Order: sequence, then structure tokens, then C-alpha cells
Amino acid sequence: EVQLVESGGGLVQPGGSLRLSCAASGFTFSSYWMSWVRQAPGKGLEWVANIKQDGSEKYYVDSVKGRFTISRDNAKNSLYLQMNSLRAEDTAVYYCARVPPGDYYGSGSYYFDYWGQGTLVTVSS
Amino acid sequence: QSALTQPRSVSGSPGQSVTISCTGTSSDVGGYNYVSWYQQHPGKAPKLMIYDVSKRPSGVPDRFSGSKSGNTASLTISGLQAEDEADYYCCSYAGSYFLVVFGGGTKLTVL
Repeated sequence: EVQLVESGGGLVQPGGSLRLSCAASGFTFSSYWMSWVRQAPGKGLEWVANIKQDGSEKYYVDSVKGRFTISRDNAKNSLYLQMNSLRAEDTAVYYCARVPPGDYYGSGSYYFDYWGQGTLVTVSS
Repeated sequence: QSALTQPRSVSGSPGQSVTISCTGTSSDVGGYNYVSWYQQHPGKAPKLMIYDVSKRPSGVPDRFSGSKSGNTASLTISGLQAEDEADYYCCSYAGSYFLVVFGGGTKLTVL
């Protein structure tokens, strides 16, 4: 059974930092692109970042470029999101999500087939 | 990149059919066959219901179907059941590296 379990959320002051983790199990983690998707309270979903199987490619939504860093440790079956210079508008539940394989070797598709339960990040003074 | 446009709410009675629309542009929905739909119950994680416009993951009932015409994608739920009451989000590839955009979500109420 595919499982994704996020941790690391909490309350942080504006300008502060936080590191989220996602522990994966039930599938070959190193074979999949992975993503972070967030949802502000009472709002819709927003893709944040994703990372290739070997970590060699990383992509971010414009609003977090230069502040957030996605990474992974395939030996530990774990995905991470380092969040720096946090702003009030970063307040959201952050979900870890798996990206199925794309049409050619090593590529990812454009949807998310499994999601974790999410971890809440609150940026407030 | 702007979010896709969905109706804020739709409703239907048990056994009826409802359709949720998702309108984008030729740069996202209209340009690619990479539209997906997610169901989210309150306090829960999203669940994939449809991918690549009309494909259903294993385990998703065939009451759920997806389609696309021009810049508008649609999710149709037939034979509505009480457990279908949830928020539904569409999502589309937007033509740059992995950029995907979501709709604002539609709350489905089963009367």
C-alpha cells in the first residue's frame, strides 16, 4: 500500500524557516518524480515544487523560487521541503504527492496519483 | 499563470447526474490532454479521480467520467450518491516544464 506521511509543520514567524519531511513507503520511491502541493485555509490547491527521481531536476512555482528548496534522499525514502523567508501567504497545509511516470523514460506525467495527509504550516507573529 | 475557472458549487439529488466544468485557455486546458480531477472530503487529502482528461484510476467507480471540448474540461458524476458530496478540483498542465494549474474548486452538495 502506498503511504506518504508528512511532518515538520508548525507555527513560525514571518521571515523564519521550516523544513518539511515526507516519508514514503509501499512503492519504489527512487523511481518516481515527487511533488509538494499546498492548500491555504479555505482555499484551493496550488502546486509548489517537484523533483526528478535522482534529484537532478527541480521546478518551482514562481512565488516560492529562491525561498524554497525541494530535495530527496532515496536511501531514506524521504522527500523534503526547506522553506526560508516565510511569509504570511505561505500559510497552508502542505501535501506530499507522487507523480506517475510520463510518456518516455525518466519523465513524469502531469498529475498526482497519491497524496499524504498533509502538514499545516502557519506563518504568523 | 491564472487558476482555472470552476463553478463555486453544484448540487444534485441521489441518482441524478451532475457535471462540473473547468475553463482554461489554449495555453493549458485547450492545448494539452493533461487534465486531471481530484475529490477532497473535508479535512482529508485530495484523491485522484480522473487523469489525462478521461482516464479513470483503478478503484474509481465508472460513475465518474471526464471529457474536454476546446478550453473547457468537464467532470460528470452519474448516479449521485451521498458519499460523492465533496470538493472537486480540476488541474491542467500549462505548457512549461512541470507547471500545472488548479481550478478554484467546486463544492458538490448531494441534496
